[in-house]
Amino acid sequence: DTEVTQTPKHLVMGMTNKKSLKCEQHMGHRAMYWYKQKAKKPPELMFVYSYEKLSINESVPSRFSPECPNSSLLNLHLHALQPEDSALYLCASSQGWRGGGELFFGEGSRLTVL
Amino acid sequence: SQQGEEDPQALSIQEGENATMNCSYKTSINNLQWYRQNSGRGLVHLILIRSNEREKHSGRLRVTLDTSKKSSSLLITASRAADTASYFCATDSLRDNRLAFGKGNQVVVIP
Repeated sequence: DTEVTQTPKHLVMGMTNKKSLKCEQHMGHRAMYWYKQKAKKPPELMFVYSYEKLSINESVPSRFSPECPNSSLLNLHLHALQPEDSALYLCASSQGWRGGGELFFGEGSRLTVL
Repeated sequence: SQQGEEDPQALSIQEGENATMNCSYKTSINNLQWYRQNSGRGLVHLILIRSNEREKHSGRLRVTLDTSKKSSSLLITASRAADTASYFCATDSLRDNRLAFGKGNQVVVIP
């Protein structure tokens, strides 16, 4: 199984809502990532988890809250978002995060904030 | 940080032609990777070239790396309509191991 599964595929939320994005992989990878991608732009790193511990937070606003319940799951909790947070949110995993190996990406969750 | 930069950024070619994209970067790297992204979907890893390698092939893909010029090129030979996508280079910096994506090339292959 070489898939990274993200749910939901599409999410529309108001600025006062609380929602979560979910990501799952069963490749035994120990590093998992959240990226944010705006239209016609490259992905921007948000968070890196390594062995279920947060290793990198790229100064992401606290309205985005990551969580890694176990080595296969990665969540991104969303609260009080702004319209400019509308984007494609990509989850990825790799065997480890140091050493620059291949990243496996999910299909993304397209978020629209009204 | 976004240190990989591709040139040109948009390319339109006829099916069967070759497509070449370039990528430049600024700092020393462990390796350089190329990814493809179909419209609005996830990225798919194409090929990884290590800093001590100069050229690598995978099917119709050929990647070169010139560390003295801090640049790489991706060649897709005999292009197909299915190759229509955005292509990103990504560099793994020696400094902090973060994978930084370049701006991307939009390639359109006309049947």
